Amino acid sequence: DGGITQSPKYLFRKEGQNVTLSCEQNLNHDAMYWYRQDPGQGLRLIYYSQIVNDFQKGDIAEGYSVSREKKESFPLTVTSAQKNPTAFYLCASSTQDSQPQHFGDGTRLSIL
Amino acid sequence: SQQGEEDPQALSIQEGENATMNCSYKTSINNLQWYRQNSGRGLVHLILIRSNEREKHSGRLRVTLDTSKKSSSLLITASRAADTASYFCATAKLNNDMRFGAGTRLTVKP
Repeated sequence: DGGITQSPKYLFRKEGQNVTLSCEQNLNHDAMYWYRQDPGQGLRLIYYSQIVNDFQKGDIAEGYSVSREKKESFPLTVTSAQKNPTAFYLCASSTQDSQPQHFGDGTRLSIL
Repeated sequence: SQQGEEDPQALSIQEGENATMNCSYKTSINNLQWYRQNSGRGLVHLILIRSNEREKHSGRLRVTLDTSKKSSSLLITASRAADTASYFCATAKLNNDMRFGAGTRLTVKP
């Protein structure tokens, strides 16, 4: 079955630590996205990638980094520079910008 | 920056009633999409309506788009307890940037 897999489902970060959230898709989609969702809120775009080896900042990129070395994979690193990382992180993919996005089931990140 | 604004923020109805959610936006769009999110899960795409379309149906869902008023509505008919979820609109701007609104939390009581 095609889809998007995010791992881990829950992640805890210590102060000063970088953590990496995994996102893998087997839908053969060119575009991939990372969103942050705070309780009771909508989605805010962190980074997106339209093609392998290329990505752009979204609305809240500070304190985050990404890579897109393979079409299937778009990992997100939450760096120690992100002072308020506690949130629900969602990865999505689509055939191209403006088309329907397929979402993973998210990673919930908390601070220890 | 969020492009769409959903209204109401929360809606509570009885099973069998219809639920209407609205989305307003600010700039011209290519299309507008509605998504559903069950608690603790990812979003699921429901329906896409293009800027040159006025109405679309999918099962118990009906979406309208009024580009002159920059607004859209999602109607769920004959609601069920299983429809309880948050519903988000997403607007794809002319440069293909897509942004999500803050969502409407729908509760359907059995």
